[in-house]
Amino acid sequence: QVQLQESGPGLVKPSETLSLSCTVSGGSISGYYWSWIRQAPGKGLEWIGYIYYSGNTNYSPSLKSRLTLLVDTSKNQFSLRLTSVTDADTAVYYCARLGTSDNFYYYIDVWGKGTTVTVSS
Amino acid sequence: DIVVTQSPLSLPVTPGEPASISCRFSQSLLHVNGYHYLDWYVQKPGQSPQLLIYLSSNRASGVPDRFSGSGSGTDFTLKISRVEAEDVGVYYCMQTRQGRTFGQGTKVEIK
Repeated sequence: QVQLQESGPGLVKPSETLSLSCTVSGGSISGYYWSWIRQAPGKGLEWIGYIYYSGNTNYSPSLKSRLTLLVDTSKNQFSLRLTSVTDADTAVYYCARLGTSDNFYYYIDVWGKGTTVTVSS
Repeated sequence: DIVVTQSPLSLPVTPGEPASISCRFSQSLLHVNGYHYLDWYVQKPGQSPQLLIYLSSNRASGVPDRFSGSGSGTDFTLKISRVEAEDVGVYYCMQTRQGRTFGQGTKVEIK
């Protein structure tokens, strides 16, 4: 059974770069799309973007200018870099897998437990 | 960008009674392949979200048949035929027609 584990600093200073990793265990990172979703305190879910195991990416338009998603197949990991963070980037960050039952349509079928990131000086 | 309006934002329900959640989008979610690109997720208290419905009306593996999804074009509905106590949580629709956008969430709680 595939499991995802987010890791990274829990506290980031304003204007600095937020970096998170997600380790995939129990399965291969190859052949799938991998995504990031966040949830600000008391708010709903916000889509951040996804990356294919080969490196192709799709970013939320609202974050595109500050966002980079990377994948490292040798480590079975993918990662997120968000530059110039502000208070508005404080959230629980989830990594997730886009799975499929037919190689036609992809939905989020595995979620990490989430990691809390606070932006504060 | 596709804009979504989910309603209601809060839904108190009586166990055994039906419940319904709506999502309305600013553009049609119909793909040329004939499918509507819409998913439903639920986030139970203290948990990560989980998939309920994909492609508007397909139940995910293990999802009870009291959950059903319907709709077309820009208007979609998630229905719970008989709410159970374990169904409490926040329900989100998400369009996947252009990028991905979550609805605002509907908090389902027991009366």
